[in-house]
Amino acid sequence: EIVLTQSPATLSLSPGERATLSCRASQSISSYLVWYQQKPGQAPRLLIYDASNRATGIPARFSGSGSGTDFTLTINSLEPEDFAVYYCQQRSNWPITFGQGTRLEIK
Amino acid sequence: QVQLVQSGAEVKKPGASVKVSCKASGYTFTNYGISWVRQAPGQGLQWMGWINVYNGETNYPQTLQGRVTLTTDTSSNTAYMELGSLRSDDTAVYYCARGGASYGLDPWGQGTLVTISS
Repeated sequence: EIVLTQSPATLSLSPGERATLSCRASQSISSYLVWYQQKPGQAPRLLIYDASNRATGIPARFSGSGSGTDFTLTINSLEPEDFAVYYCQQRSNWPITFGQGTRLEIK
Repeated sequence: QVQLVQSGAEVKKPGASVKVSCKASGYTFTNYGISWVRQAPGQGLQWMGWINVYNGETNYPQTLQGRVTLTTDTSSNTAYMELGSLRSDDTAVYYCARGGASYGLDPWGQGTLVTISS
């Protein structure tokens, strides 16, 4: 199965700063990479699909990039509501797999 | 709007089975697959399987093969996840979500807490 490794495990930033989250796949997954945001007590929410496409209703400060094995989620000018846990997920091969998550916390 | 509503919390004993339901509304149920994902307390997300609602085709991870069964009832737009031979480490919040083979998982149900306790 494809292993996704997210880094860093925790990212401490202040509102207004830029966040850069990484997701690395153990083998090429083309652009079949998805990003989710999860807040405490809530279900995950789809942010980005196919590496760089924002889902409906997702603010433009969220952007995704990458292909093959290396992917990045960038959040420009952090808002207070952006502090959460972020997961990447690949849909290239069965079984679907998730990264272990990056916790974005307020500094 | 597109919505998935799951059944309520469950408490089960080790060795028993649990069946969680997920009722879909706001879209044509047979046009999309349904995936199930679980999250143990304080842990990450684990994919449990996918079902093609149109033809019933399923795909399960090796780690759960034989213990998990996904089904649907197209007459009521409801998907089901049944997990057997329950163990304490199956305690988790179980989510259904639309999609799996394409796009991303969207939306997600609200989650169902399943607690395994003797």
